[in-house]
Amino acid sequence: DIQMTQSPSSMSASLGDRVTITCQASQDIGNNLIWFQQKPGKSPRPMIYYATNLANGVPSRFSGSRSGSDYSLTISSLESEDMADYHCLQYKQYPLTFGSGTKLEIK
Amino acid sequence: EVQILETGGGLVKPGGSLRLSCATSGFNFNDYFMNWVRQAPGKGLEWVAQIRNKNYNYATYYAESLEGRVTISRDDSKSSVYLQVSSLRAEDTAIYYCTRGRSFDYWGQGVMVTVSS
Repeated sequence: DIQMTQSPSSMSASLGDRVTITCQASQDIGNNLIWFQQKPGKSPRPMIYYATNLANGVPSRFSGSRSGSDYSLTISSLESEDMADYHCLQYKQYPLTFGSGTKLEIK
Repeated sequence: EVQILETGGGLVKPGGSLRLSCATSGFNFNDYFMNWVRQAPGKGLEWVAQIRNKNYNYATYYAESLEGRVTISRDDSKSSVYLQVSSLRAEDTAIYYCTRGRSFDYWGQGVMVTVSS
């Protein structure tokens, strides 16, 4: 199975900060990765498709990137509405696997 | 408007079974793969199962942790997908989400399954 190691598990940042969350894949997944945002009590919402493509309606302060087996979700300037859990998902190979999630809090 | 609605959750005794349903509307169901994803209380997301569409012979795939206890199925005439889970354990307690496609672009609100005596 492909393991997705997500870090950090939690973090606290100030409004306006640049925030980066990372998932490392244990095997090659190409760009077959989705980033989700999940607010408390809500269903997940896809933010980034195919590692780097912004989903419809997602603010441009969000971006996705890849460096080898490391995939990153970056928020360029943190806003209060970005407080949420973030999850990555690889869909290159079955079984599909999620990262363990990152809880993002606002200082 | 795409709509996804899960039903069938509830309290089940250990060893019991449950069938979850996911009714959809607002898109051509026949064109899409469908998935179940679950989330235990306070935990991360776990992919459970996927069923492909007719073009892919309705192929099914499962998480290894559940294989043998879970069956995903679909009824294209009803635009619905189902998840049958048997031999339920306490660790199966979770919100179960139904989600559309290879891109997981639309999600239902989820249905709670609690396994407890």
